Amino acid sequence: SQQGEEDPQALSIQEGENATMNCSYKTSINNLQWYRQNSGRGLVHLILIRSNEREKHSGRLRVTLDTSKKSSSLLITASRAADTASYFCATGSNTGNQFYFGTGTSLTVIP
Amino acid sequence: DAGITQSPRHKVTETGTPVTLRCHQTENHRYMYWYRQDPGHGLRLIHYSYGVKDTDKGEVSDGYSVSRSKTEDFLLTLESATSSQTSVYFCAISEKRAVNTGELFFGEGSRLTVL
Repeated sequence: SQQGEEDPQALSIQEGENATMNCSYKTSINNLQWYRQNSGRGLVHLILIRSNEREKHSGRLRVTLDTSKKSSSLLITASRAADTASYFCATGSNTGNQFYFGTGTSLTVIP
Repeated sequence: DAGITQSPRHKVTETGTPVTLRCHQTENHRYMYWYRQDPGHGLRLIHYSYGVKDTDKGEVSDGYSVSRSKTEDFLLTLESATSSQTSVYFCAISEKRAVNTGELFFGEGSRLTVL
């Protein structure tokens, strides 16, 4: 499979705690993107990190990228119940148009 | 919200029947994608399009065909549906190549059940 793999598959935390999820991928990339999916809905783009970047922030989100290990992590700080969703990383090889998603991490934030 | 409409949103059909899912966009984006989502597999790319009449296969294209005769429409056809094609199908669009810097915008999904 060309897909990335997220870890853990499921994560349950208390409101206010930080949530960290990891993504590993297989090919050389130009960028890696993280998406969020609420139950029964389509995916929504959260953040993009380019292959020449090591860290990026957007609000309560912090993404890191280690191209030598072909891995990325998404940190959500001070989690809220509304952050409950599935989170996916997505990448494509730097040739071609195909774009692949991982298997996702299901995050539950308990109020 | 990006203007992406998938139809039908829900469909139940029988094994062996043809099924066509439609994705319609009002954003004039060049790239369009069809994914299927199944428990334990995440999203898997079926086919994608990089322009009118320009399509290519993804990783799970067997049993599916696509057509794009207009910028705004991308059709996914199951010529003879099988139970293994029971899934939720998502259409996505992007203005730029996703592998470069293109952000994907998703439709709300089409839930297909093949009995």
